[in-house]
Amino acid sequence: NAGVTQTPKFQVLKTGQSMTLQCAQDMNHEYMSWYRQDPGMGLRLIHYSVGAGITDQGEVPNGYNVSRSTTEDFPLRLLSAAPSQTSVYFCASSPLLGTAPPGTNEKLFFGSGTQLSVL
Amino acid sequence: AQSVAQPEDQVNVAEGNPLTVKCTYSVSGNPYLFWYVQYPNRGLQFLLKYITGDNLVKGSYGFEAEFNKSQTSFHLKKPSALVSDSALYFCAVLSGGYNKLIFGAGTRLAVHP
Repeated sequence: NAGVTQTPKFQVLKTGQSMTLQCAQDMNHEYMSWYRQDPGMGLRLIHYSVGAGITDQGEVPNGYNVSRSTTEDFPLRLLSAAPSQTSVYFCASSPLLGTAPPGTNEKLFFGSGTQLSVL
Repeated sequence: AQSVAQPEDQVNVAEGNPLTVKCTYSVSGNPYLFWYVQYPNRGLQFLLKYITGDNLVKGSYGFEAEFNKSQTSFHLKKPSALVSDSALYFCAVLSGGYNKLIFGAGTRLAVHP
């Protein structure tokens, strides 16, 4: 049981390049999400998904696309990288987040992160 | 919109002393609150949550948090700090119809020997 796996761990891009950050989980979690972490701003939600075929925007979705074709995978695509997207990106999954009412298992399981630099 | 605030960028405490990391919240409706910890070069790990019930919630690694509705606070506490508790701590609130976990800016805890 590997948990939440993110690849790559490090990436350097030039402005305007595109790339995909990969996220996979082997816990059969319905809920998956992407966050970016910036100093002094904590974690901000980019996109999330409550199940295969369903995605929605978080707090800072601009410049990013997601898709959820399977329960296991939730890739994050940068369409045209900008220096403002330099950040550490975390993928997280949960068995029941998004299922009302709360009180059972809303815990998020995080991957180890991808450090992205855009020059 | 639901939000949390962590008023301290950093908290310094001596090993063996009690520690408190502060969090205040702003929600409409019932608050569902969480604490997570991040050790260097790692993802976040769940510590504890408040959904309903007792105002004092116990979590992992000896941490506990006190929910105070009148002060809209959810402070993280530990009776005796360890050097190994040094990390970045995040308060979070469930939002968006239970679909979004919104985090605060984080507080760095430094425990000195």
